[in-house]
Amino acid sequence: EAGVAQSPRYKIIEKRQSVAFWCNPISGHATLYWYQQILGQGPKLLIQFQNNGVVDDSQLPKDRFSAERLKGVDSTLKIQPAKLEDSAVYLCASSLSNPPSGRMNEQYFGPGTRLTVT
Amino acid sequence: KNEVEQSPQNLTAQEGEFITINCSYSVGISALHWLQQHPGGGIVSLFMLSSGKKKHGRLIATINIQEKHSSLHITASHPRDSAVYICAVGTDKLIFGTGTRLQVFP
Repeated sequence: EAGVAQSPRYKIIEKRQSVAFWCNPISGHATLYWYQQILGQGPKLLIQFQNNGVVDDSQLPKDRFSAERLKGVDSTLKIQPAKLEDSAVYLCASSLSNPPSGRMNEQYFGPGTRLTVT
Repeated sequence: KNEVEQSPQNLTAQEGEFITINCSYSVGISALHWLQQHPGGGIVSLFMLSSGKKKHGRLIATINIQEKHSSLHITASHPRDSAVYICAVGTDKLIFGTGTRLQVFP
């Protein structure tokens, strides 16, 4: 079974530039998450999708961050314009919405995109 | 105070040592996760548990619901175990600890 795919793996941009990240979840996973992990901290949820709808975007800085999952499969996360404090690893994860009976719902993480804003 | 606290923050060990990483949480939970993150950034799920104990190879995870505490043990540690180990609680929406950085030297 293929895992969660993310690209690019690394990105360096200057402040005020724009950047976009892509995520392809595990086939059949209806729920998709974007996390931001600043160095030395645990991941923080930015946005959660259920199919192509947003379940939770309460911690997404909507003045500069946007995300979409138009067809309910892959997703993009965009930052425009970037700030120095956006330097972080951006993790995508996916999970089944309805796990098999007796199984807990487990999130599967991608390799992450390391963003450096200079 | 964070809702999920891990200790220690940093840990060094010699190859072969028995390692314990602790996680305490202050919220009610349905599940607790132990995750491993290597320097490249990707996260791998090691365990998800809601009670008792789970074992996978040299890794053992335990949880005490009453005390709101979990431990991750690594037996016969190896340099390839060097990584950041993260505790997270929840099922759909995860609350993460800040991680324990483990370095195992040959």
